[in-house]
Amino acid sequence: AQSVSQHNHHVILSEAASLELGCNYSYGGTVNLFWYVQYPGQHLQLLLKYFSGDPLVKGIKGFEAEFIKSKFSFNLRKPSVQWSDTAEYFCAVIAISNFGNEKLTFGTGTRLTIIP
Amino acid sequence: NAGVTQTPKFQVLKTGQSMTLQCAQDMNHNSMYWYRQDPGMGLRLIYYSASEGTTDKGEVPNGYNVSRLNKREFSLRLESAAPSQTSVYFCASSLDRGRDGYTFGSGTRLTVV
Repeated sequence: AQSVSQHNHHVILSEAASLELGCNYSYGGTVNLFWYVQYPGQHLQLLLKYFSGDPLVKGIKGFEAEFIKSKFSFNLRKPSVQWSDTAEYFCAVIAISNFGNEKLTFGTGTRLTIIP
Repeated sequence: NAGVTQTPKFQVLKTGQSMTLQCAQDMNHNSMYWYRQDPGMGLRLIYYSASEGTTDKGEVPNGYNVSRLNKREFSLRLESAAPSQTSVYFCASSLDRGRDGYTFGSGTRLTVV
């Protein structure tokens, strides 16, 4: 079964700083990759996703992520964060198989705090 | 555009009580899921339904049961609540077994005392 690691549990940045959140997964086959954001007291919302093609994907609110297959990584980046980016961020992976019943596996999340 | 609707939003139960968490989606999705979210543990899958008429256990199914009532609705039942089931519960749905990602409901915050 696949697993997802998010190494940063809590990241604190000042506004306008650059952001990179790490995500690594363990699965040798084809995967679809996702980043979700959860604002305080709210549900998870999709930030961006990667299925195939250009490994650099752009999402909402200025976020982007790069898929590096050789490193089994899908790191999330943003050049300049804002206070409103304070939230918890989850990386998720689904292993594509021919057997069906695939399910998303989530990382444990990274809490991001932006200081004004 | 309701998406995924969960009820109730908040609930307090006494140990041993039972309750059912309701979930409905209006996106004609085939697959539905129940997760629980606990601090430091991310989201853990309780049960899922890949398609109408099927249900399967996830990572943490003990103490729970589910019913896929029809294509729209997927309920989660706690037969005898325990304090360890205090958590935030999220229902989610997907069109194609999760390959396109999930749409989440707004969650149910459950406290068992």
